[in-house]
Amino acid sequence: NAGVTQTPKFQVLKTGQSMTLQCAQDMNHNSMYWYRQDPGMGLRLIYYSASEGTTDKGEVPNGYNVSRLNKREFSLRLESAAPSQTSVYFCASSWDRGFNYEQYFGPGTRLTVT
Amino acid sequence: AQSVTQLDSQVPVFEEAPVELRCNYSSSVSVYLFWYVQYPNQGLQLLLKYLSGSTLVKGINGFEAEFNKSQTSFHLRKPSVHISDTAEYFCAVSDGGSGNTGKLIFGQGTTLQVKP
Repeated sequence: NAGVTQTPKFQVLKTGQSMTLQCAQDMNHNSMYWYRQDPGMGLRLIYYSASEGTTDKGEVPNGYNVSRLNKREFSLRLESAAPSQTSVYFCASSWDRGFNYEQYFGPGTRLTVT
Repeated sequence: AQSVTQLDSQVPVFEEAPVELRCNYSSSVSVYLFWYVQYPNQGLQLLLKYLSGSTLVKGINGFEAEFNKSQTSFHLRKPSVHISDTAEYFCAVSDGGSGNTGKLIFGQGTTLQVKP
């Protein structure tokens, strides 16, 4: 099992450009999450998907959109990147939001917006 | 809303010494508590979790944590650290009340620096 995979690993964008961060899991998990990690702030939830076909906002959703393409894949889109979105982005998945709270994390995407 | 505070941003310690990383959370009817570790340039992995039952929780790599409801704390301990324990550690809480979504609220992180 590859677990949770993320692409790309690194990305540099100019202000105003758009891009999509990809995430896939092969553990047959129902729930998936997108976090951003900033120094001194820990991880903050951007969006999550409790199950296929549903998505909900987390703590910091502004400037982002998500798509739960199928059970395996959960993508995060930046429509018009801003320097404040420079961060490390982590995708995570868990078996079920209600019964098993362990989240498995991907290796992250380092995004720089200039 | 739930919140988590990690009281130390950095903890330097010598190899083979004991260590405690402190975590406090805001009170709630019921909570689930977690410690995650992040090694350099890697994603997070679960060290241990408290869902219910015994307040002393043992995790991987010799770590343990104690849930203290009266003090709303969930401190992480290890009796003897190794150089390989150098990493960032995150405390997290999930709301266990009705309507729980499994969302995690993370603390700011504590960098454990183990020196030879």
